[in-house]
Amino acid sequence: LAKTTQPISMDSYEGQEVNITCSHNNIATNDYITWYQQFPSQGPRFIIQGYKTKVTNEVASLFIPADRKSSTLSLPRVSLSDTAVYYCLFNDYKLSFGAGTTVTVRA
Amino acid sequence: EAGVAQSPRYKIIEKRQSVAFWCNPISGHATLYWYQQILGQGPKLLIQFQNNGVVDDSQLPKDRFSAERLKGVDSTLKIQPAKLEDSAVYLCASRPGTGGTDTQYFGPGTRLTVL
Repeated sequence: LAKTTQPISMDSYEGQEVNITCSHNNIATNDYITWYQQFPSQGPRFIIQGYKTKVTNEVASLFIPADRKSSTLSLPRVSLSDTAVYYCLFNDYKLSFGAGTTVTVRA
Repeated sequence: EAGVAQSPRYKIIEKRQSVAFWCNPISGHATLYWYQQILGQGPKLLIQFQNNGVVDDSQLPKDRFSAERLKGVDSTLKIQPAKLEDSAVYLCASRPGTGGTDTQYFGPGTRLTVL
């Protein structure tokens, strides 16, 4: 069973910022929050990972509040090519994927 | 660095036939995974290998699915006999270690259609 809860889908337009919030009430002390991206006909690809506060890389930012019961993936200025499924999960030896969030970016 | 390789990319068989998938992980990666992804769902772990030993196969339908990882490198996943509900994408992934913060790297998958 997936340990996280995230919206099923989100729509956006090119150039906008997309924020996907993931709930994980039962996160353990040693769990890292990890996000993967999956395009059609491809395997999932690691985007970003964090433990607390804020993490930023060339693709996205990850915001984690102090209680760590939720996290928000932020995709700045999305383009059509960011249309994909985004998965929030804990980085453990065994990844448990939920259904993910389908993000659709429109022109 | 070469990624995770899988073959074939597509396979169409009839029910009750057998099929095998091959995976070559990233060089040096100790841990290898096979996932099943049904259309519209997230990947579901079937089996995890640590080198050439099985760590977790709790979700592998052992009456029809089998997997091996000889010499701790390449791996094959077999279905015999196939059922209609086995239609899915089979993903192979590898990671350097056994946990912590290192990430999994996925191959492109093999799309299986059972008619």
